[in-house]
Amino acid sequence: QSALTQPPSASGSPGQSVTISCTGTISDVGGYNYVSWYQQHPGKAPKLIIYEVSKRPSGVPDRFSGSKSGNTASLTVSGLQAEDEADFYCSSYAGNNNFVFGPGTKVTVL
Amino acid sequence: QLQLQESGPGLVKPSETLSLTCTVSGGSISSSSYYWGWIRQPPGKGLEFIGSIYYSGTTYYNPSLKSRVTISVDTSKNQFSLKLSSVTAADTAVYYCARRDIVVENLDVWGKGTTVTVSS
Repeated sequence: QSALTQPPSASGSPGQSVTISCTGTISDVGGYNYVSWYQQHPGKAPKLIIYEVSKRPSGVPDRFSGSKSGNTASLTVSGLQAEDEADFYCSSYAGNNNFVFGPGTKVTVL
Repeated sequence: QLQLQESGPGLVKPSETLSLTCTVSGGSISSSSYYWGWIRQPPGKGLEFIGSIYYSGTTYYNPSLKSRVTISVDTSKNQFSLKLSSVTAADTAVYYCARRDIVVENLDVWGKGTTVTVSS
């Protein structure tokens, strides 16, 4: 059982936007601005796409954006493209050098 | 460009010890801004943080695995290693090594992963 909660699936047509929620507690998401999001294509390693709630590593398109309110973080993918179809995992620093992850959300581009 | 590569046996017998090594290339494992971590992903499931180590040898483990996990570092070889004892089928997973940025607390560089199956 994952420490964070995500919807199992989300979908949208090309060009549309999809938003994925990630709910934790005051001990993780709500207590730190260290929420990250990872994109994982089948058979591949996770790739960091958002860190510190809303920052994007170099090379990540600005179609990916993150936010947080209280104990819930969100990832929005705007202008959906076929290559965005993947699993997305949220993660939060949880203190004491520990990280927790969500169960993942499968994004389908219709 | 920093790269991480996992290596080790792909098959381990129940009750034995799983041993994996992560080799870091394109950068030094002795950097002060990073820890080095292990994460696993059971088939069809989500990610689980196992633990991390600093180049000095300071370690932190997921409390749920702490009694069975040992992570070590060899700075002369630019490698760090994972040992997981008393394995069961539930430890079957893809094991990833990754770099943990302790300034912004993320896992920013990942290895490709290695599959470990626990079976007799």
